Amino acid sequence: EIVLTQSPGTLSLSPGERATLSCRASQSVSSNYLAWYQQKPGQAPRLLIYGASSRATGIPDRFSGSGSGTDFTLTISRLEPEDFAVYYCQHFGTSPPGTFGQGTKVEIK
Amino acid sequence: EVQLVQSGAEVKKPGESLKISCKGSGYSFTNYWLGWVRQMPGKGLEWMGIVYPGDSDTRYSPSFQGQVTISADKSISTAYLQWTSLKASDTAMYYCARPANMWEPLPLFDCWGRGTLVTVSS
Repeated sequence: EIVLTQSPGTLSLSPGERATLSCRASQSVSSNYLAWYQQKPGQAPRLLIYGASSRATGIPDRFSGSGSGTDFTLTISRLEPEDFAVYYCQHFGTSPPGTFGQGTKVEIK
Repeated sequence: EVQLVQSGAEVKKPGESLKISCKGSGYSFTNYWLGWVRQMPGKGLEWMGIVYPGDSDTRYSPSFQGQVTISADKSISTAYLQWTSLKASDTAMYYCARPANMWEPLPLFDCWGRGTLVTVSS
């Protein structure tokens, strides 16, 4: 079973700063099946990135994803006030499908 | 516009049964699988399982196999998540979500319902 570990647990930053979030898989996974979601309080998650680096429809280009194998990164180039939220990575392949990381909270410093 | 409309919040007692629903609109309901995701209070996301409304093929996460039943009624474009005997530990928000790709059960979810809060307390 693939386990996804996200770090840090909480990231305290100011608007305008760059955010770098990490997602590490317990074994190598295909980057085709790595996604990132954003969840704001009281809202459903929103798909940001799929295939490790492709932005979903309507996602601003300040969001970017990278990585391969066991190490993946979500970068927010310049934090906007609406970007403070919890971010989850997901492996949506098999073993079992749909595994999520535990989340990284990006909070205002 | 693609929409998933979930049934309202529920308050139940341990041991009671429950069936919550998710109605899809704005797309061909039988062309897409539909999944369920649990979020316990203050916790992360857990994929529970997924159903194909076209033929009711269902896949479960090992963690939820035998604990819940996922089904769908294509005649009314609605998917369901049900329990026969609720426990306090079932207290959570439950989201339905549609995968991005037609006919694929892979749970890359690009459309989500707003969630159904289930509270189980004596």
